[in-house]
Amino acid sequence: DAGVTQSPTHLIKTRGQHVTLRCSPISGHKSVSWYQQVLGQGPQFIFQYYEKEERGRGNFPDRFSARQFPNYSSELNVNALLLGDSALYLCASSLLGDQPQHFGDGTRLSIL
Amino acid sequence: QKEVEQNSGPLSVPEGAIASLNCTYSDRVSQSFFWYRQYSGKSPELIMSIYSNGDKEDGRFTAQLNKASQYVSLLIRDSQPSDSATYLCAVMPNTGNQFYFGTGTSLTVIP
Repeated sequence: DAGVTQSPTHLIKTRGQHVTLRCSPISGHKSVSWYQQVLGQGPQFIFQYYEKEERGRGNFPDRFSARQFPNYSSELNVNALLLGDSALYLCASSLLGDQPQHFGDGTRLSIL
Repeated sequence: QKEVEQNSGPLSVPEGAIASLNCTYSDRVSQSFFWYRQYSGKSPELIMSIYSNGDKEDGRFTAQLNKASQYVSLLIRDSQPSDSATYLCAVMPNTGNQFYFGTGTSLTVIP
């Protein structure tokens, strides 16, 4: 079975631009979470979605938004990009919201 | 106070030795605890999950949980050079809607 897939793998943007990151969960998984990981730190929670509803939101500004589609795939959107948004963005899926999460390979976002 | 704290290391052990990784957490009502391994440039990979006090063994890995002390650890027996990675501790609070990760402990197994 395919694992969590994320696209694109790498992305270069400039300050002020907008970005959309995509994630497809493991088949059968209904919960998707998004994390930001900067070098030398652990992943920081951004959002969790379960059955298309937002179930949790981390301490990130309103420039960050997400949604989950009927097929359980998800998008993370970031507006008005800042240099500090440069990071590895990880998507993780689980059967239910409180189950072990399995991560995709991530999208490495660089802001110039 | 951080939700989850880990010694960032680096921790170095010789091949064949036992590596001991430790993690403390602040939310007393946390219910679920996880250990992830992350190789450089890769995404985290789930190693173990533990929910009850005591030890849980899976191959060379043993997770230990002490909720009274708010402490969870990971022991790696017969350490191999391929175990060299950053180990992340993750804690899920009672609300069950997010993981709190530590900053990770870098482990190097010396051949």
